[in-house]
Formats: sequence, structure tokens, C-alpha cells
Amino acid sequence: ELKVEQNPLFLSMQEGKNYTIYCNYSTTSDRLYWYRQDPGKSLESLFVLLSNGAVKQEGRLMASLDTKARLSTLHITAAVHDLSATYFCAVDRGYGGSQGNLIFGKGTKLSVKP
Amino acid sequence: KAGVTQTPRYLIKTRGQQVTLSCSPISGHRSVSWYQQTPGQGLQFLFEYFSETQRNKGNFPGRFSGRQFSNSRSEMNVSTLELGDSALYLCASSLIWDRVSGELFFGEGSRLTVL
Repeated sequence: ELKVEQNPLFLSMQEGKNYTIYCNYSTTSDRLYWYRQDPGKSLESLFVLLSNGAVKQEGRLMASLDTKARLSTLHITAAVHDLSATYFCAVDRGYGGSQGNLIFGKGTKLSVKP
Repeated sequence: KAGVTQTPRYLIKTRGQQVTLSCSPISGHRSVSWYQQTPGQGLQFLFEYFSETQRNKGNFPGRFSGRQFSNSRSEMNVSTLELGDSALYLCASSLIWDRVSGELFFGEGSRLTVL
């Protein structure tokens, strides 16, 4: 059974600091997603990582994928208050070549304090 | 370009009733999937449709059903509502049904409260 584990589940950071969120998954998958969710809102797509060694960056966020270790990381550089949100990683089950059949981690609730 | 549109955004039902939620994918997207989000269980996959065919179904009881129309719009139905069905129901669409690309776009969701 495919499982996705994120840690930490809660993260309180000071502005300007760096931190990393980890996402481990239990079986092979070649597609990993990172999403952001603000309270009461939907999921905003941050990154789609499609291959081993993939690295993507957008602003203060950088995501990477190691398919051999079944690990993805979301690195936050010089955090700002606007990054406060819940971050989810998700892995595509990939049944029958389909997409959109995702297993989500429990999410990391990030709070950035001045 | 319009995003994924879900209606209604909020609704309140009582136990035993049924509900139908609608999802209009981004124009040109043919794959639609549905998720349930609750504080206790998190985000869970319900179903996935492509070209009016259900490709995959999550581990939910038969009270949860869905369909997709020829214009790619999708509906999901929950019959005999239970208190535990209170959740945010999210619809997502994607452009290509293959393993090359991959971005999945989510709608704003339909928040269902069962009293």
C-alpha cells in the first residue's frame, strides 16, 4: 500500500530563517506534487517533480526529488510571513497509466513569525 | 483562462438526504478527479474520470458515486448522507491522460455540512 509521510507536521519559523520539509513515500512513483493550502482555500500547485534528481525553484521555495530514496524535500529560504500556510506533498499512484489518483501526506502547517 | 469551477461552494444538508456536486474542468482538460478533505482523514481520493469513463475509485462506500459528461464536466453524488460526510470536496482537472506531463489543478471546493 502506498503511504506518504510528511514531517514535521507543524513548523513554527522566524522570518529570515531556512528550513526543510520532508516527504517520504513507500513505493515507487515517478510523479510527486507539492501543494500549498491557505485556511479555507483550495490547493495551489507549487511543483510537479517527474524524475529522479529533479529540482525546481520558485521564489523562496525549492523542491527536489530522490526516487531511489523515495524522498522529496521542500526547502524554504529566508522565510517571510506570506509563506504561512499548510504544505502538502502527494504521490501519484499511477494505476493503469492514469493520473489524478494521488495519495497525500498529512500536510505541514507552517507558521512564520516576525 | 477560467480555472476549475465547482458548484455549489457551500451547502448544508441533513442526515439521510442526498447531494450532487458539480465540477467544470479547465477548458480542454479531459481528466477529472475528486477528493474529500476532512480534518481527521486529510485528503482522500474518491474517483477519477477520463472520457466519461471512471478510471479509478478510492476506498469509499457505494453511497459515493460520480459521472463525467461528454463535455468533461463531472458530478459526484452522495446518497443517504451521514454526519461523517461533512467535508470539503475538491475537484481537480488535468490536461493529458498520460504519464508525461502531470500538473493537476484544483477547484475552490464544495464545503458540505451534514446536520
